[in-house]
Amino acid sequence: GQQLNQSPQSMFIQEGEDVSMNCTSSSIFNTWLWYKQEPGEGPVLLIALYKAGELTSNGRLTAQFGITRKDSFLNISASIPSDVGIYFCAGPNDYKLSFGAGTTVTVRA
Amino acid sequence: GAGVSQTPSNKVTEKGKYVELRCDPISGHTALYWYRQSLGQGPEFLIYFQGTGAADDSGLPNDRFFAVRPEGSVSTLKIQRTERGDSAVYLCASSLMGRGGTSGGGNEQFFGPGTRLTVL
Repeated sequence: GQQLNQSPQSMFIQEGEDVSMNCTSSSIFNTWLWYKQEPGEGPVLLIALYKAGELTSNGRLTAQFGITRKDSFLNISASIPSDVGIYFCAGPNDYKLSFGAGTTVTVRA
Repeated sequence: GAGVSQTPSNKVTEKGKYVELRCDPISGHTALYWYRQSLGQGPEFLIYFQGTGAADDSGLPNDRFFAVRPEGSVSTLKIQRTERGDSAVYLCASSLMGRGGTSGGGNEQFFGPGTRLTVL
């Protein structure tokens, strides 16, 4: 099956920092999705990317669809405490989503 | 509420028992999905309904798992003879449309909060 690898597995951020995480795949995707999950909740879609090379922003979040269609990056600028959570990349195969294992973001006290 | 709801939020059961997990999708959404999320992992696809029919149940791990959606709205995931390895968060999602494309808002999957199942 399709395997998505996310890195880093976890990160500690200082408020105000810019952070970056990425996702690579063994297969080509025509769409890349980035979700955020908070404790006790389901994943919430942050950004959807539909075209290779596309760069899309949603507030302080920016994501890019890699040219090879096998990778994607998510950047968070000027992080704030509410950015904590688990960030997942996902690639759809028609209706079926394949998720990475997630990057856990924690705010450093 | 306008979102996907799931009940119960938590379920603790004993090995060998039968459980039912319920999902209420967003009104008007024709497609419904079940995923399972183990600790430290992303959600894994279980089954997809388009209307009342299970269009793809390839993710169900074995025949102890079954899901229904008799009226094309509410869905129930049923697990027989539960095992400790079934412990996970079971997530339900719905979308306006399903099969036929991945771009555009009609296929965006909206997730419920999940049911945390613990098998002792």
